[in-house]
Amino acid sequence: QKEVEQDPGPLSVPEGAIVSLNCTYSNSAFQYFMWYRQYSRKGPELLMYTYSSGNKEDGRFTAQVDKSSKYISLFIRDSQPSDSATYLCAMTGNYGGATNKLIFGTGTLLAVQP
Amino acid sequence: GAGVSQSPSNKVTEKGKDVELRCDPISGHTALYWYRQSLGQGLEFLIYFQGNSAPDKSGLPSDRFSAERTGESVSTLTIQRTQQEDSAVYLCASSLAGTGREQYFGPGTRLTVT
Repeated sequence: QKEVEQDPGPLSVPEGAIVSLNCTYSNSAFQYFMWYRQYSRKGPELLMYTYSSGNKEDGRFTAQVDKSSKYISLFIRDSQPSDSATYLCAMTGNYGGATNKLIFGTGTLLAVQP
Repeated sequence: GAGVSQSPSNKVTEKGKDVELRCDPISGHTALYWYRQSLGQGLEFLIYFQGNSAPDKSGLPSDRFSAERTGESVSTLTIQRTQQEDSAVYLCASSLAGTGREQYFGPGTRLTVT
């Protein structure tokens, strides 16, 4: 079983819809939770990160973390065709001086139809 | 400001040849990471550099892979005697020290081994 599980999709929604993207994880040491957006043939772009449990909002994007359920979500409001991309969740722990390597989900391919 | 840059953007090589991939991190970022992204495997950590500390090489898949970094600047990832399974996108990321949760990625090098 992978440390981080993410539904690969594809997920197709009409423009203006609310999109919900999710990941589950098994390692209780994870404390930082990131969402990246990756367009085809480009590098991942950091959208936002959250520490521990709670919500964080940035424009049309809201990230939620439920550590008790080991479940994280990214919501996109008023989705636009330009949001069409692969969305990757990533996580790391608070390892002090040790490597903060990211553990990634496999990504969800999102298509927003005009 | 300038982001993470990588070169070459694409590399096609014959099986058995050596290749060298380059990463130029964001100025002031002391932490540098290499990841590999391949179909079906997602993004996998390879190696981590932090300042003058010994690198964390725990993600390197075999002794054919090595990486160097001079100070807090450019890094090179070398793959010797390339194999077809080495075909992937090699991504470099950098972050401020102690903030591995905010890793910024370059565009990647797409390696194809024929």
